[in-house]
Amino acid sequence: DAKTTQPPSMDCAEGRAANLPCNHSTISGNEYVYWYRQIHSQGPQYIIHGLKNNETNEMASLIITEDRKSSTLILPHATLRDTAVYYCIVRVGNNYGQNFVFGPGTRLSVLP
Amino acid sequence: SQTIHQWPATLVQPVGSPLSLECTVEGTSNPNLYWYRQAAGRGLQLLFYSVGIGQISSEVPQNLSASRPQDRQFILSSKKLLLSDSGFYLCAWNKGEPQETQYFGPGTRLLVL
Repeated sequence: DAKTTQPPSMDCAEGRAANLPCNHSTISGNEYVYWYRQIHSQGPQYIIHGLKNNETNEMASLIITEDRKSSTLILPHATLRDTAVYYCIVRVGNNYGQNFVFGPGTRLSVLP
Repeated sequence: SQTIHQWPATLVQPVGSPLSLECTVEGTSNPNLYWYRQAAGRGLQLLFYSVGIGQISSEVPQNLSASRPQDRQFILSSKKLLLSDSGFYLCAWNKGEPQETQYFGPGTRLLVL
């Protein structure tokens, strides 16, 4: 099963882009990269996911390297409300019991 | 649109007391349902999942049990709570294949004293 590594914490100035890295060097060819975030005392919120191509939605952009061993989540204009723990997750199996293993994530602090 | 509800939001219970946490999903049918526990400052641990009414699978041996009496209702229970059952309990759902995106509820914070 692929595992992910993320920096434990990052700071970002309000209004600037936040770039959150994730390494998943053992990812398999059919495994997707998912990003969730969790604001204190709330349930995780889905952000974006991708397989090979870069993806963009109303919340963020996901850049996946060509070898798929790492990815970057980009919040283009970070606001104070983006302060949260961000989880990079690789789907670890194709049965229901191996879904979405959440690691410790990156604690992003958006500073005024 | 689909929404997921959990209650209660917060619960303080004495050791040895029973537990019942409820999760309901609206706006979809036959969802896959999941119960997770998150210890303070840590990632999520999958406890149970269900692919249909009355179908429950357990991921880890524990003091808890789960039931799915209705299509969109998932209940987490215990007959006698332990101190180690304290944590943040999250319900999630998705449709179709297990690798599809999961959507989480607001969570229940349980403190066992």
